[in-house]
Amino acid sequence: DIQMTQSPSSVSAFVGDRVTITCRASQDISNWLAWYQQKPGKPPKLLIFGASHLQSGVPSRFSGSRSGTDFTLTISSLQPEDLGTYFCQQASTRLGATFGGGTQIEIK
Amino acid sequence: EVQLVESGGGLIQPGGSLRLSCAVSGFSFSFSEMNWVRQAPGKGLEWVSYISSSGDTTYYADSVRGRFTISRDDAKNSLHLQMNSLRVEDTAVYYCARAHPDLTAANALDYWGQGTLVTVSS
Repeated sequence: DIQMTQSPSSVSAFVGDRVTITCRASQDISNWLAWYQQKPGKPPKLLIFGASHLQSGVPSRFSGSRSGTDFTLTISSLQPEDLGTYFCQQASTRLGATFGGGTQIEIK
Repeated sequence: EVQLVESGGGLIQPGGSLRLSCAVSGFSFSFSEMNWVRQAPGKGLEWVSYISSSGDTTYYADSVRGRFTISRDDAKNSLHLQMNSLRVEDTAVYYCARAHPDLTAANALDYWGQGTLVTVSS
């Protein structure tokens, strides 16, 4: 199975800061990468699919990129409502559709 | 309005069986690829199973293969997960989720239910 290594496990930042989260796939997954935001007691919310495509309704301060097997989620200007836990997912069902371990974002 | 409503969770002893259901409305279920994803208390997300829109292709996580069976009933707009030989480590909130219909999305999951809690304990 493909392993998804997500870092950091937590980040604390000020409102307005630029925040980046990285996921590394253990093998080539092309652009089959999605990012989610989850708040306590709620299901995950899709932010990015296809590595860089913004899901409808998601603010444009969220963006995704790919370099080889490294994927990055960037929040260009952190807002108070962005607190929560973020997960990457390699989105190939044939390869197991595994999730990264998660990154908890806190607001300073 | 899109709705996915899971049911069937509860407390079950190790070795027991449960059948989860997910009632779907607000989108074309019969044309949708569907998944189950679980989350143990305080832990991350674990993809469990996938079923194609036709129902003839299914995939499972290694941790549940041979014990869990995913199925669908398009006439009733419902998704199911039959869980047998349950283990303590299967304790989790189980979510049903739709695969995004965009071809570039692969199995990114755009609609999720609120989840149903399965507790395996003696």
